[in-house]
Amino acid sequence: DGGITQSPKYLFRKEGQNVTLSCEQNLNHDAMYWYRQDPGQGLRLIYYSQIVNDFQKGDIAEGYSVSREKKESFPLTVTSAQKNPTAFYLCASSKVAGARDTQYFGPGTRLTVL
Amino acid sequence: GDSVTQMEGPVTLSEEAFLTINCTYTATGYPSLFWYVQYPGEGLQLLLKATKADDKGSNKGFEATYRKETTSFHLEKGSVQVSDSAVYFCALSISNFGNEKLTFGTGTRLTIIP
Repeated sequence: DGGITQSPKYLFRKEGQNVTLSCEQNLNHDAMYWYRQDPGQGLRLIYYSQIVNDFQKGDIAEGYSVSREKKESFPLTVTSAQKNPTAFYLCASSKVAGARDTQYFGPGTRLTVL
Repeated sequence: GDSVTQMEGPVTLSEEAFLTINCTYTATGYPSLFWYVQYPGEGLQLLLKATKADDKGSNKGFEATYRKETTSFHLEKGSVQVSDSAVYFCALSISNFGNEKLTFGTGTRLTIIP
């Protein structure tokens, strides 16, 4: 079955540590996205990538970094510079980066920084 | 900038009741409109979409019509079930010189009581 995999489902880290969240898709989609979800605030875009080896900042990129070395993988690193990293992180992909193209979401990773 | 406003929750209804979740948008161009649903502990799933004015999206008994004159995309279902309990997100997407992204509303939590 095709889909998007995020791992792990739950992640705990100490304050000041960097942490990398995994996102893999086997849908052969060109575009991939990272969102952050906080209670009462909907989803906010962190980074997105339209093609391998290229990515752009979203609305809240500060304190995060990404890479896109392979079409199927788009890992997100939450750095120690992110002031409030505890949140639910969602990865998504779409066939192309078009306004009318549907984004498909993974199951999410809940990050808790202690 | 582009934005989506949806009715505040939580919304609690009895089984077989009629559902309306209001969504209005502000956009500088001609957006595509989406409803996503998030079941507890999971990522988002596309429920329905509409890409131009007067289009009606429908899926699983849910419907929404793209109303350009009122800039609205209200979600409706004639008879809700307990399994419809979830958080519903209205979203828009608009082309902006390659800067493609979804803009989400804050979500409406729906609980259906047997």
